[in-house]
Amino acid sequence: DTGVSQDPRHKITKRGQNVTFRCDPISEHNRLYWYRQTLGQGPEFLTYFQNEAQLEKSRLLSDRFSAERPKGSFSTLEIQRTEQGDSAMYLCASSLAGFSTDTQYFGPGTRLTVL
Amino acid sequence: DAKTTQPNSMESNEEEPVHLPCNHSTISGTDYIHWYRQLPSQGPEYVIHGLTSNVNNRMASLAIAEDRKSSTLILHRATLRDAAVYYCILEGSGGSNYKLTFGKGTLLTVNP
Repeated sequence: DTGVSQDPRHKITKRGQNVTFRCDPISEHNRLYWYRQTLGQGPEFLTYFQNEAQLEKSRLLSDRFSAERPKGSFSTLEIQRTEQGDSAMYLCASSLAGFSTDTQYFGPGTRLTVL
Repeated sequence: DAKTTQPNSMESNEEEPVHLPCNHSTISGTDYIHWYRQLPSQGPEYVIHGLTSNVNNRMASLAIAEDRKSSTLILHRATLRDAAVYYCILEGSGGSNYKLTFGKGTLLTVNP
């Protein structure tokens, strides 16, 4: 399967611990997005990369959150000093830059539970 | 970001057509209309998008009003697998990024 993959699929951690999630986009896609989704809500945009450059960060992305995309391939999202409010599904999506709009392909998500 | 309005929920019977409405009265001339759906415990899945003309693909059809202030996603024959939350999203082209702003969407229930 050549879709977007995310690892791990589930993560349970204790408050105050650091966690890191990985996203592997579709291989030729140069755009990569991170979203967060809480129960009963639609996904919310967190950050966006074009190749290795992080071009936009949402105000939702506090200083405890950091994302990287070294070499413009896979991406990692790290949350430091996790809080219970960080419990959510973290979704990654990728797309190929086009001339106008583009289609985003989402991974299955990483469900984070902070105890 | 321009806002969309969708019904919270809709119900359909299997093998019948489904028309999912979306209002977007503040749409700008360069906004594309995207539809994504999210099945339980999965990430969102692209369904279809359009700008001005009606669009068809293997999954669905998108009917766009002449003034572009509303659109309708049409599933021609609903199956149980189509039960999902359907999101109507406006995405403005020409910017430096193409982030999607999701609302709460429409929860579609398909009855056997």
